[in-house]
Amino acid sequence: GAVVSQHPSRVICKSGTSVKIECRSLDFQATTMFWYRQFPKQSLMLMATSNEGSKATYEQGVEKDKFLINHASLTLSTLTVTSAHPEDSSFYICSALRGFEAGYTFGSGTRLTVV
Amino acid sequence: DAKTTQPPSMDCAEGRAANLPCNHSTISGNEYVYWYRQIHSQGPQYIIHGLKNNETNEMASLIITEDRKSSTLILPHATLRDTAVYYCIVQSNFGNEKLTFGTGTRLTIIP
Repeated sequence: GAVVSQHPSRVICKSGTSVKIECRSLDFQATTMFWYRQFPKQSLMLMATSNEGSKATYEQGVEKDKFLINHASLTLSTLTVTSAHPEDSSFYICSALRGFEAGYTFGSGTRLTVV
Repeated sequence: DAKTTQPPSMDCAEGRAANLPCNHSTISGNEYVYWYRQIHSQGPQYIIHGLKNNETNEMASLIITEDRKSSTLILPHATLRDTAVYYCIVQSNFGNEKLTFGTGTRLTIIP
């Protein structure tokens, strides 16, 4: 089946530094990928839609200058959390649609801890 | 997209069928019913989807009422590994539309 690889699975960084999270579609091309954030015991919240070759579309309340998204190829989207703060600590998940009949495929998630 | 309503939690004995309900009374004609689940600290996993006919795959069965206002996901023989949060989502078939997650049902399989 379709596989979306997300890296790293866990990262700890210091306040004020930046962290890059990669999301790759391994066996299909994804013109669109989605980035979610999930706080403990809460549901997934969509942050932005990543479009290959164009600017990402951010959900209301998500700072585009803080969460930089780049979708430079049909198989790779990256999310960079800039100037990270402890409140950015969360579980970040990407997803892509391979085909309508297959549903959305999700990465395994990245646990970010900012200290 | 139409909103869905699910019970916050359910328990099911191991080996029994787990029946998870979902209400989607405002679903429109071009919207499908999707089910995903999320095991702790992992990304969500696609389970099944349907439009108006009942569907079955290797993981589960999906029963959609005739008026399409509700559906039930059935895990025929629940195992401990089925413990997860199950999300019912309705979405149109226009491709690459964003998925909006509700609060889901936390299913606990009891030994």
